[in-house]
Amino acid sequence: SQTIHQWPATLVQPVGSPLSLECTVEGTSNPNLYWYRQAAGRGLQLLFYSIGIDQISSEVPQNLSASRPQDRQFILSSKKLLLSDSGFYLCAWSWLDPGANVLTFGAGSRLTVL
Amino acid sequence: SQQGEEDPQALSIQEGENATMNCSYKTSINNLQWYRQNSGRGLVHLILIRSNEREKHSGRLRVTLDTSKKSSSLLITASRAADTASYFCATDASYNTDKLIFGTGTRLQVFP
Repeated sequence: SQTIHQWPATLVQPVGSPLSLECTVEGTSNPNLYWYRQAAGRGLQLLFYSIGIDQISSEVPQNLSASRPQDRQFILSSKKLLLSDSGFYLCAWSWLDPGANVLTFGAGSRLTVL
Repeated sequence: SQQGEEDPQALSIQEGENATMNCSYKTSINNLQWYRQNSGRGLVHLILIRSNEREKHSGRLRVTLDTSKKSSSLLITASRAADTASYFCATDASYNTDKLIFGTGTRLQVFP
């Protein structure tokens, strides 16, 4: 069966520090991968999605970047965090229900920037 | 940008009552999905409805889709305290099914 792992679960970082959140998927190959951010009590904002290695689409201008070094690994990074980067970051992979991408989410990473 | 907007933002009901949540979206879609999120957790897929479908059922869930009005509704019948969660709709775009945009969500509280 497929599983998705996301870490770290909780992170407290000072403004200006770097960030690396990691997401890996097991039990499938060539999944679509997604990073979303959720501000407290709010909806999900799509940050990046990837339909394959070296195919990453950025949705929101920001100081974040994403990389996909392996087929089932998706990393969210920042060189210098801002206060506004605080939030709940969710990684997801999609499986195809013909003609539709259905998402399976990780448990999330809660980032607090101080 | 936000594709979907749910209303109400929050809903409180008693166990046994029905809960109805609505979602409106802006562009043409291929599919619309509903997800559930327990507090502080990842989202869980509930149900998918395609643009050529008008209604779909899954257990106590009933979803309708009106593409002419660009809206969908999720009905949870005979609600239980365990249904307490936030519910989100998600849409793709007719030109790009890989990109899923979520709405703002409805927070449902079911009191025992």
